[in-house]
Amino acid sequence: DAGVIQSPRHEVTEMGQEVTLRCKPISGHNSLFWYRQTMMRGLELLIYFNNNVPIDDSGMPEDRFSAKMPNASFSTLKIQPSEPRDSAVYFCASSMWSSGRSTDTQYFGPGTRLTVL
Amino acid sequence: AQTVTQSQPEMSVQEAETVTLSCTYDTSESDYYLFWYKQPPSRQMILVIRQEAYKQQNATENRFSVNFQKAAKSFSLKISDSQLGDAAMYFCAYRGKYNNNDMRFGAGTRLTVKP
Repeated sequence: DAGVIQSPRHEVTEMGQEVTLRCKPISGHNSLFWYRQTMMRGLELLIYFNNNVPIDDSGMPEDRFSAKMPNASFSTLKIQPSEPRDSAVYFCASSMWSSGRSTDTQYFGPGTRLTVL
Repeated sequence: AQTVTQSQPEMSVQEAETVTLSCTYDTSESDYYLFWYKQPPSRQMILVIRQEAYKQQNATENRFSVNFQKAAKSFSLKISDSQLGDAAMYFCAYRGKYNNNDMRFGAGTRLTVKP
């Protein structure tokens, strides 16, 4: 399996610009997570999808952030307008969630390092 | 709320030696999962090992093993025969059995391996 795929790996943009991060989860997985990693706050969950439906977006910082999952194999995280404080590494992870005694594990993509100047 | 604590910001080990990374957690749940992830300089978060709380037996994966003490809420990672490639940040993580979206991570321990 190819694992979770993210693009781009690096993104440098200027304040005020729109940024779109992309994620392809592992085939067959029904849960997708977007995380942000910073030195100050560590790993934070931004949003969680199950079967393409956003279940928990309480971690999304503000209205400038939005995420979509139009189908089971693709998700985007958009920041508009971007600000310097958005600079971080953004991870996408996927898992196979089932009720009952689930043993699902989250598998992470390589991350996107975003720098907003 | 569940919290995960890694009390060692940095650790160092000599190549071929053994090192233990500590992790404690706080929870009121009886059934949950614990994980150790490795993050090398490439930034990729790599699953090292997973433990299910209802299993008494400690999980092992080749040179990696855990010491899971449920009563003490402790979940340490032992790396045997350390290799240079083991140098990375290691994150301990907790997830409740029924909370798919509630993965809690520790602050991480940076492991250095000396040749």
